Amino acid sequence: GENVEQHPSTLSVQEGDSAVIKCTYSDSASNYFPWYKQELGKGPQLIIDIRSNVGEKKDQRIAVTLNKTAKHFSLHITETQPEDSAVYFCAATSGGSYIPTFGRGTSLIVHP
Amino acid sequence: KAGVTQTPRYLIKTRGQQVTLSCSPISGHRSVSWYQQTPGQGLQFLFEYFSETQRNKGNFPGRFSGRQFSNSRSEMNVSTLELGDSALYLCASSLAIQQYEQYFGPGTRLTVT
Repeated sequence: GENVEQHPSTLSVQEGDSAVIKCTYSDSASNYFPWYKQELGKGPQLIIDIRSNVGEKKDQRIAVTLNKTAKHFSLHITETQPEDSAVYFCAATSGGSYIPTFGRGTSLIVHP
Repeated sequence: KAGVTQTPRYLIKTRGQQVTLSCSPISGHRSVSWYQQTPGQGLQFLFEYFSETQRNKGNFPGRFSGRQFSNSRSEMNVSTLELGDSALYLCASSLAIQQYEQYFGPGTRLTVT
């Protein structure tokens, strides 16, 4: 089955800095890669996603890149703000099952 | 549009008891998936329902079961609770089966003592 590795497990940055979270996946059949943000006491919120036919996608301060050859994808957050502090999860989904396999999460802390 | 709602939000049960959790998907969404989230195992898929039928099942024992009603609302049941069942149970809805985008509810925090 699919295996998703996510790094780092904790990331501490100063407000205004950029943050990068990286994930690798094992199943070359995976073709959909969502990112979720989970705040304390809440469920995961879909913040951005990318499909395997696209190399990069941006939405304001958030961007995701995908390297299918290397089987890795990354989340980039620019100009971080304290409200970006949360746990971020990556996932990989195969078109065969449509069931995502999640990474273990990255706790992002943005210091004012 | 209202999001996914889950009830109850918090639950404390004793080992050996059973529990039922409820999920109402986003209006118009017909597929509901359930996940277990723990610090040790992360987010793990339990099962997916569409048109009142279980379409996919994760690697969990038979003590975990679910169902979906004609209005797409879903319930999951855990029988003979074990301490290891303590977790955040998340429900996610999507428009239909074989849809990539899933939207999560706030979860039900289950504590087994």
